[in-house]
Amino acid sequence: AAGVIQSPRHLIKEKRETATLKCYPIPRHDTVYWYQQGPGQDPQFLISFYEKMQSDKGSIPDRFSAQQFSDYHSELNMSSLELGDSALYFCASSLRDRFPYGYTFGSGTRLTVV
Amino acid sequence: GNSVTQMEGPVTLSEEAFLTINCTYTATGYPSLFWYVQYPGEGLQLLLKATKADDKGSNKGFEATYRKETTSFHLEKGSVQVSDSAVYFCALGTMNYGGSQGNLIFGKGTKLSVKP
Repeated sequence: AAGVIQSPRHLIKEKRETATLKCYPIPRHDTVYWYQQGPGQDPQFLISFYEKMQSDKGSIPDRFSAQQFSDYHSELNMSSLELGDSALYFCASSLRDRFPYGYTFGSGTRLTVV
Repeated sequence: GNSVTQMEGPVTLSEEAFLTINCTYTATGYPSLFWYVQYPGEGLQLLLKATKADDKGSNKGFEATYRKETTSFHLEKGSVQVSDSAVYFCALGTMNYGGSQGNLIFGKGTKLSVKP
C-alpha cells in the first residue's frame, strides 16, 4: 500500500541557510500535518493543511512557512536556519472527515544545521 | 487544554517479561487515543488505537484499553521480545469544530529496552 513519502530523508544545512522539505500524502488523503521532533523529544505539531488551505497552526516559527499544492503534496520552507532547528520533521496525512481513524506518518526528514 | 502524560523511561526489561507503560490524558470532549512506536532511526508507526470509552486496541501482542473513568490508556504486553525495543508514544486526537480531525498531541515518549 502507498505510504506517506517525504524527501529528502537527510539534509545538512548551514546556519542562516534555507531548506525545503517535501511531503507526498497517501493518495486521496486531503489533509497534511507537519510535526517537529527534537532529539529525545516528543513530536510537536507545526501546521496542517486541508484542500490547499491552512487549517490549523501550532508552534511553527515565523521563519517557517508551508503550503499545500493542487496535487495535495506539501512543502515546508525554513529560512534563516538556526542550530536549534536540527530535528526530525514528520509529515502525516489523513482524510479530514475520517475522524477518529487517525493519521499515517512518513519516515521523516532529518535536518541537521551546522 | 488537552494533554498526555506518560511514564518516564527508560524502561529495561528481560525478554518474556510483562510490560506496562502508563498513559493518562486530559481532554475536553471525546478524544481518540493512540499508541505509536518509533524504532531507532525510523518514523512513527501506529501500533494501536481506541476511539471510544471501553474500546480495547490490540496489535502484535500489545493491548490498551480506553478508560474514561480513570482517563487512562495504559499499554501492556504479556511477553516482550528484544525486537520490541523502541520508543513508545501515547497520543491523543480530537475532533475539530465541524467534525474534522484535529492534530495529535503526544506524550513525552517512553524508551523500552529489552535484554535477551
